[in-house]
Amino acid sequence: EIVLTQSPGTLSLSPGERATLSCRASQSLTSNYLAWYQQKPGQAPRLLIYGASTRATGIPDRFSGSGSGTDFTLTIRSLEPEDFALYYCQQYGGSPLTFGGGTKVEIK
Amino acid sequence: EVQLLESGGGLVQPGGSLRLSCEGSGFIFFNYAMSWVRQAPGKGLEWVSVISGSGGSTFYADSVKGRFTISRDNSMQTLSLQMNSLGAADTAVYYCARGVIPSDLDPYYYYYMDVWGKGTTVTVSS
Repeated sequence: EIVLTQSPGTLSLSPGERATLSCRASQSLTSNYLAWYQQKPGQAPRLLIYGASTRATGIPDRFSGSGSGTDFTLTIRSLEPEDFALYYCQQYGGSPLTFGGGTKVEIK
Repeated sequence: EVQLLESGGGLVQPGGSLRLSCEGSGFIFFNYAMSWVRQAPGKGLEWVSVISGSGGSTFYADSVKGRFTISRDNSMQTLSLQMNSLGAADTAVYYCARGVIPSDLDPYYYYYMDVWGKGTTVTVSS
């Protein structure tokens, strides 16, 4: 099983600041098969990024994904009030699918 | 509009059974692998199970293997999860999700999830 480790656990930032979230895999991911999701309290996850760097439909361009192999990053260029939420990475290049433990982006 | 709507959650006693359903609309159901993902209170996301578009192949997390059965009825655009021998560790919000397989060369269990239902809550308690 591929273990995904997300860091930091919590990121305290102000609106307008840049957020950098990390996701590290225990082994190299096939074809960079990594996705990022956003989840707000009481809501289902929402797909942000797939294939490590491709934005899903309707996702603003302030969200970007990068990385390859075992190290991946989600960057939010300038935080909007609605971006304060939980973020999960998920790998789909190994069986079973696994999720990271999540990073909470909170208002400082 | 593409939508998934879960139902069937509730309170069940330890050792009991429950059947969850998920109705898809706005897309061609059999073209997609379908999956269940759960989230225990205050915890992260846990993948539970997946079924191929045809329904001929299924895969389960070790934590539910032998107790849960995933199935689908493509004519009714419905996904189901039969859950038996439930325990406290199964208490969670259960999400139905549509799986997108990146390439025709990839197996049905390599996918990301682009559409999610709102979830249905399962509570196992006496």
